[in-house]
Amino acid sequence: NAGVTQTPKFQVLKTGQSMTLQCAQDMNHNSMYWYRQDPGMGLRLIYYSASEGTTDKGEVPNGYNVSRLNKREFSLRLESAAPSQTSVYFCASSERPSGGANEQFFGPGTRLTVL
Amino acid sequence: RKEVEQDPGPFNVPEGATVAFNCTYSNSASQSFFWYRQDCRKEPKLLMSVYSSGNEDGRFTAQLNRASQYISLLIRDSKLSDSATYLCVVNGNMLTFGGGTRLMVKP
Repeated sequence: NAGVTQTPKFQVLKTGQSMTLQCAQDMNHNSMYWYRQDPGMGLRLIYYSASEGTTDKGEVPNGYNVSRLNKREFSLRLESAAPSQTSVYFCASSERPSGGANEQFFGPGTRLTVL
Repeated sequence: RKEVEQDPGPFNVPEGATVAFNCTYSNSASQSFFWYRQDCRKEPKLLMSVYSSGNEDGRFTAQLNRASQYISLLIRDSKLSDSATYLCVVNGNMLTFGGGTRLMVKP
């Protein structure tokens, strides 16, 4: 099993450009998440999908959109990138929504720089 | 005030030392608690869950104090391989991550 995979690993964008970060999991998990990690801030939830066909905003959704393409895949889109979106982006999945003692498995991350 | 607060460190300790980290949380309704480990430029991975009665996994012991709203992690007999950032994670409606405490174990 590959677990959670993310593409690309690195990306440099210019302000105003758009891009989509891809995430896939092969653990048959129901729930998937997108986080960003900035120095000293911890991981902050951008969007999540509790189950296939549903998506909800997290703590910092502005400037992002998501698509739960199927049970395996959950993509994150930046429509018009801004320097404030420079960060490391992690995708995660869990068997159930995080309302209980439920481990999340993380992908390797995408390092995004917006110039 | 951040929902989950940790001392960022770094904690520099010699091999074999015992080291403890604390974490405080603000949401008294939080239901479950975890410690994750994150190596440099890698993804977070679950180290251990934290149970109300406290729990131990080898050299690692986790404690929860609901009255004071803090969680602790104790590492005994530190190894070089324990060098990492330790993330305190609290679960209310969603997982909330602390900023992490960096540990450096030196020979």
